[in-house]
Parts: sequence; C-alpha cells; structure tokens
Amino acid sequence: AQTVTQSQPEMSVQEAETVTLSCTYDTSENNYYLFWYKQPPSRQMILVIRQEAYKQQNATENRFSVNFQKAAKSFSLKISDSQLGDTAMYFCAFMKKSSGDKLTFGTGTRLAVRP
Amino acid sequence: KAGVTQTPRYLIKTRGQQVTLSCSPISGHRSVSWYQQTPGQGLQFLFEYFSETQRNKGNFPGRFSGRQFSNSRSEMNVSTLELGDSALYLCASSLAGRDWDGYTFGSGTRLTVV
Repeated sequence: AQTVTQSQPEMSVQEAETVTLSCTYDTSENNYYLFWYKQPPSRQMILVIRQEAYKQQNATENRFSVNFQKAAKSFSLKISDSQLGDTAMYFCAFMKKSSGDKLTFGTGTRLAVRP
Repeated sequence: KAGVTQTPRYLIKTRGQQVTLSCSPISGHRSVSWYQQTPGQGLQFLFEYFSETQRNKGNFPGRFSGRQFSNSRSEMNVSTLELGDSALYLCASSLAGRDWDGYTFGSGTRLTVV
C-alpha cells in the first residue's frame, strides 16, 4: 500500500515571497503519478501540478514548481511570488499508473499568505 | 466547458436515514471517482466507475454503494446513516485510457448527520 506524508500542518508566507511545501511518499511501484492539489474555502480540489515518475525533469506551472527526488521519494512544491489567492489547503497525492486507480492523499498543509 | 457538478451542495440527514448524492462529470469523461473527506480521516477513496462498471473500491462498509448511468452520471448512496458519515463527499471525473490527463473534482456535497 502507498502512503503519503505531509509533515507541515500549517505554513505562512508573506505576499510576494517564496514558500516550499514538503511531501514524502512510500511505494514499491515504479510507474506512478504525483500531484499537488489546492483546496480553497470553496471546497473544490484544484490540480496545481502533476509529475510522472519516469520523467526526470521537474514539472513547472507558472509560479508553481516541484522538486521531485525519486530515490528519496520526495516531492516538494515551491510557490514563487506568493499571492493572497494562494491561501488554501494543499494536498500531495499519489496514484499508480493503471486504469481506475485511486488517489492516495496526504493530510494536507494549510497555507496562509499574509498581505 | 462545464465542470464536474455535484448536487446537492449541502444536506442534513438524521441518523438511520439513507441519502443519495449525485455527480455529473465533464462531458466526454467516462470515469467517475468518489472520495470522502473528514477532519479525522482526511481524504479517502470510496469507489471508481467506468462505463457503468465499478473498477475499484475503497475500504468502506457495504452501506456505501454507487452506480453509474449510461450517460456517465454517477450516484452514491449511503444507507443507515451514522454520525460518523458526516463529511464532504467529493466526486472526480476523468477521461480514460490513453487520453487520461488527470482528475477534475467537483465542489462536493457537505453531508451532516444529526
């Protein structure tokens, strides 16, 4: 079974600064996806960024980038130039690369961006 | 295009009753998954449907069931509600097979059991 660990329950960052959220996972699989999802107070889970395990290059999406260390089973999210709208719960998630497989989520990190 | 639509947004039920939640996926998405989110247990996978067939099931009691219709819309049902079933229920849809490009979630149904 897969596990996903987010060791930072809460974090705070000043607007326009950079923050890094940590995530580690445990799996015996070789072929999988890793995700970061954002859940604002509206409750909808929004995909921030996705990484395929076989891709060496770290994924980036505008101000969001990841540091994927496959051997260390680490998948951190860096948010640059933080904005007030980035305030939300952030969940790291794992999924085996097979049809119909489930997402396994971490416990989440609550990020507050201060003005 | 329209997103994943979950109805109702809020629901209050009494212990022992049953409830049905609905999820309409993005047009063209044939896979629908359900998740339960609670403060204590976090996000947990309930089940996944594709082409009206349940392909995967999480570790929940038989009181939790679901189905998918030919238009890919899905419903989940919880019978004999318990206080612990109070949660946010999230639905996610996706394309299947080689076209898979991730899950899109709805805004959830907040169920309160009293």
